[in-house]
Amino acid sequence: GDSVTQMEGPVTLSEEACLTINCTYTATGYPSLFWYVQYPGEGLQLLLKATKADDKGSNKGFEATYRKETTSFHLEKGSVQVSDSAVYFCSRSNDYKLSFGAGTTVTVRA
Amino acid sequence: DAGVIQSPRHEVTEMGQEVTLRCKPISGHNSLFWYRQTMMRGLELLIYFNNNVPIDDSGMPEDRFSAKMPNASFSTLKIQPSEPRDSAVYFCASSPWDRGQGQPQHFGDGTRLSIL
Repeated sequence: GDSVTQMEGPVTLSEEACLTINCTYTATGYPSLFWYVQYPGEGLQLLLKATKADDKGSNKGFEATYRKETTSFHLEKGSVQVSDSAVYFCSRSNDYKLSFGAGTTVTVRA
Repeated sequence: DAGVIQSPRHEVTEMGQEVTLRCKPISGHNSLFWYRQTMMRGLELLIYFNNNVPIDDSGMPEDRFSAKMPNASFSTLKIQPSEPRDSAVYFCASSPWDRGQGQPQHFGDGTRLSIL
């Protein structure tokens, strides 16, 4: 079935470091791709999205590019802050459903 | 704008008791989803409603679980009788889903359920 595989965590970084979280998806159909972020005690929030090949989603300094040739949607941020500490989920659409990766826990230390 | 509203935020009860979780989706959204999140299994889709009609309940674990959506602004997820293995965070999400448009889902803050 349609699935998403993302980099296992946890990831621990220092403030101002670069962050990359790898994500690959199964290539069936023409999915939309999403990154969600979950802060402690809260629900998932949409961070960014891309709906077709070569689209770049961006928000709050995060970016991800829809790469059809490599079936990837890696999340990147050039300079992280302590407030970026959260769990990040990669997701692809599957008709009305969303398939989620297992989540990557990111901790940013001051 | 109000997001997806879930209640209660926390629920602690003894096994065998009935548990009812509530959700108010974002106004105008025609799709509603119930998820369960655990450390072991991650996020699992339990049931999906479109225009108040259950479309896919294949993720509902067993007959102890039931969900209703009596109108466009309210849904419930009920567990009767509850068991300790039902302990998890339950999320409701809504979306203005339109086939082929890849709309994102908007999540509530969840109900943290503990069955003793």
